[in-house]
Amino acid sequence: NAGVTQTPKFQVLKTGQSMTLQCAQDMNHNSMYWYRQDPGMGLRLIYYSASEGTTDKGEVPNGYNVSRLNKREFSLRLESAAPSQTSVYFCASSEANQGGYEQYFGPGTRLTVT
Amino acid sequence: AQSVSQHNHHVILSEAASLELGCNYSYGGTVNLFWYVQYPGQHLQLLLKYFSGDPLVKGIKGFEAEFIKSKFSFNLRKPSVQWSDTAEYFCAGRSSGGSYIPTFGRGTSLIVHP
Repeated sequence: NAGVTQTPKFQVLKTGQSMTLQCAQDMNHNSMYWYRQDPGMGLRLIYYSASEGTTDKGEVPNGYNVSRLNKREFSLRLESAAPSQTSVYFCASSEANQGGYEQYFGPGTRLTVT
Repeated sequence: AQSVSQHNHHVILSEAASLELGCNYSYGGTVNLFWYVQYPGQHLQLLLKYFSGDPLVKGIKGFEAEFIKSKFSFNLRKPSVQWSDTAEYFCAGRSSGGSYIPTFGRGTSLIVHP
């Protein structure tokens, strides 16, 4: 099992450019999440998906959109990147009846917006 | 708002020293608590978790945590740290009667000198 995979690992964008971060999990989990990690701020939830076909806003959703393509895949899109979106982005998944919502994290995408 | 607080933002220790990282939560009722570790350049992985039962929880790599309900605390401990324990440590929690999504603390950066 690969667990949670993310692509790309690194990305540099210019202000105003768009991009999509991809995430996939092979653990048959229903719930998936996108977080951003900034120094001293911990992990902040951007969007989450309780199950295939549903998405909800988290703590910091502005400037982002998501798509739950199927049970395995959950993508995060930046429509018009801004320097404030420079961060490390983590995707995670979980399942209620396995460890009570213990989350499994991907390796992260380090994004720089210039 | 329900939250998780980590009081130590940066901790520096020498090898063989004992470690205790503080974590407090503000949930009422039954809680689920987690400690995650993030080694340099890697993704978050679960160290240990508490759901019910014995308040002293043992995790991987010699770590343990004690759930003290009266103090709303879930501190992480290790009797003798190693250089390889250098990492960022995150406490997370959720109320079993509330949202299934855990709230993360801001993290504690631990540096262990050889």
